[in-house]
Amino acid sequence: AQSVSQHNHHVILSEAASLELGCNYSYGGTVNLFWYVQYPGQHLQLLLKYFSGDPLVKGIKGFEAEFIKSKFSFNLRKPSVQWSDTAEYFCAVLSGGSYIPTFGRGTSLIVHP
Amino acid sequence: DTAVSQTPKYLVTQMGNDKSIKCEQNLGHDTMYWYKQDSKKFLKIMFSYNNKELIINETVPNRFSPKSPDKAHLNLHINSLELGDSAVYFCASSQGTTGEQFFGPGTRLTVL
Repeated sequence: AQSVSQHNHHVILSEAASLELGCNYSYGGTVNLFWYVQYPGQHLQLLLKYFSGDPLVKGIKGFEAEFIKSKFSFNLRKPSVQWSDTAEYFCAVLSGGSYIPTFGRGTSLIVHP
Repeated sequence: DTAVSQTPKYLVTQMGNDKSIKCEQNLGHDTMYWYKQDSKKFLKIMFSYNNKELIINETVPNRFSPKSPDKAHLNLHINSLELGDSAVYFCASSQGTTGEQFFGPGTRLTVL
């Protein structure tokens, strides 16, 4: 079964710092990859997704992620975070043959102004 | 227009009661889901349902049952509520096999 690891459970940054959140998965076949964001008290919203093509994916609000197949990774990055980026971030992976994605445990990001 | 809606937003009830949470999607999607998010923000899939099959996470107690009157609705019924059922429950929908989920606003259930 697919498993998804988000190694950073809690990240605290100051505004303007750069961000990288790790996401690794276990299944080595064809995958669809997602990052979702959950702002405090709100529901999950899609930040970006990768199905195929260019492994560097641009999302909303200045976020990007890079799919590195050899490392089974899909790390999320942002060059300069803002206070409004404070949220929970979830990586999700859909393996070939399934339509139900597997979610990571989430990373809590706090950005200090 | 709200794509995936849930009611109620908050639900406070006593142990032992039976309650339902309603979910509707107007995206024309063919699959709907229920997730439970605990206090540590861990997101657990409970059910997925399309018009062909219901997939149940085997760790979900049989006190929980999904009911789908039609393709646009997937309600969650919970019998004999327990303290440990307190959580935020999210409904979601998707189309085809992309895996992209569209989430509802969530229902915060508190069992006293």
